[in-house]
Amino acid sequence: GAVVSQHPSRVICKSGTSVKIECRSLDFQATTMFWYRQFPKQSLMLMATSNEGSKATYEQGVEKDKFLINHASLTLSTLTVTSAHPEDSSFYICSAREGDTYNEQFFGPGTRLTVL
Amino acid sequence: GQNIDQPTEMTATEGAIVQINCTYQTSGFNGLFWYQQHAGEAPTFLSYNVLDGLEEKGRFSSFLSRSKGYSYLLLKELQMKDSASYLCAVMDSNYQLIWGAGTKLIIKP
Repeated sequence: GAVVSQHPSRVICKSGTSVKIECRSLDFQATTMFWYRQFPKQSLMLMATSNEGSKATYEQGVEKDKFLINHASLTLSTLTVTSAHPEDSSFYICSAREGDTYNEQFFGPGTRLTVL
Repeated sequence: GQNIDQPTEMTATEGAIVQINCTYQTSGFNGLFWYQQHAGEAPTFLSYNVLDGLEEKGRFSSFLSRSKGYSYLLLKELQMKDSASYLCAVMDSNYQLIWGAGTKLIIKP
């Protein structure tokens, strides 16, 4: 299957700093990428959907100025958590889809963010 | 509203069979996915059903009834490595994936 990588896998930062997470599709062109957040023992929560070259579509309740998403190429999307706070500590997972809307989403390995 | 229901936790014995149910109410339907997620890892794809019936793939099978808004994932010959959470997700009319909370499956020797 297709491979999606995420970097870093773990990050610990101080409150008030910004953290950038990269998501890359390694062997296919990802026309659409998704960013999810998952708190312990809870399901995946979609944060935003991004299509290459256009602005991301954020889900209700997700602050677009706090969670900056850039999808500048067909193989790379980035999520920047700005002015991180302890409540932003979570497991962030990206997924990528090639082509039309029926295609399977391939997930990255996730990034564990801890804000002190 | 949109809703996906699945049991929170199930326990089964190594070598046995377990069925994990999922019921859904969504605005439109463009397919149902099952994913496996081990603790601390990202989900991995198991199956996709868009037509009614049973799809078999090795030890895992997935069933769908669109009229009943119901699916199940059947795991046979359970192995210890099958201990994980199993997520049911439905693609709605906007091609968005609506996720269930997941079923934690515990396998005992």
